[in-house]
Amino acid sequence: TQLLEQSPQFLSIQEGENLTVYCNSSSVFSSLQWYRQEPGEGPVLLVTVVTGGEVKKLKRLTFQFGDARKDSSLHITAAQPGDTGLYLCAGEFGNEKLTFGTGTRLTIIP
Amino acid sequence: EAQVTQNPRYLITVTGKKLTVTCSQNMNHEYMSWYRQDPGLGLRQIYYSMNVEVTDKGDVPEGYKVSRKEKRNFPLILESPSPNQTSLYFCASVQGVGGFGTYEQYFGPGTRLTVT
Repeated sequence: TQLLEQSPQFLSIQEGENLTVYCNSSSVFSSLQWYRQEPGEGPVLLVTVVTGGEVKKLKRLTFQFGDARKDSSLHITAAQPGDTGLYLCAGEFGNEKLTFGTGTRLTIIP
Repeated sequence: EAQVTQNPRYLITVTGKKLTVTCSQNMNHEYMSWYRQDPGLGLRQIYYSMNVEVTDKGDVPEGYKVSRKEKRNFPLILESPSPNQTSLYFCASVQGVGGFGTYEQYFGPGTRLTVT
C-alpha cells in the first residue's frame, strides 16, 4: 500500500502571511491532485499535476510537482480567512485508484 | 448543474439494522467510488465501479456491499452495521482526463453515520 505523508498536520497563521504545505511519498506518482475540504462538505478538486517539475497557479495558490514525481507542495500567498480548510493531496500510482494523504488542517486568523 | 447527491446526510442507527446510503450523479461518468473518512486516517476507499455491473473492492471493503445497475446510481449497503462503521462517508463521481490515466474525483456532500 502506497503512503502519502502530508506536513504539517496543522497550521495556523495570520491573515496576509505566506505558507507552504507538503505531500511526500516513497513511490512515484503517475499523477497527483490537491483538494480542499471545508467543514460539512466533500473535498473539492483544486488541481491535477502529471509532469515532473510542473508548476500550476490558481490565483494565490501555487502547486509544484517534484522532478522525481514523489512529492508536491502547495504554496499560498497572502493567506485569507477563506483559505481555511483541510488540504488533501491524492496520488495515483498507475492503478486507477487514488490514495489520499491525511491532510493539512489550515486555519487563517483574521 | 453538475452534482453528486447523497442521501441521507445524517443517520443514527443501531447495530445490525440494514441500511442503504444512496448516491447519484448527473455527469454521465462511468467511474464512481465510495470512501469513508475518519480522524487521523484520512479518506479510504471502500468500493469502486468502473462501469455498470462492474464493481471492485477498495482498501476497506469489509462489512459493505455496493451495486451498480445503472450509470448514475451507486448505492452503498451496510447489511449489518456495527459501531466501527461509524464514520463520514463520501461518494465520488470520477472523470478520466487527459489520456494519462488520470482520474479527477467529484465528491458528494457526505453522509455522517452513527451506529450505536
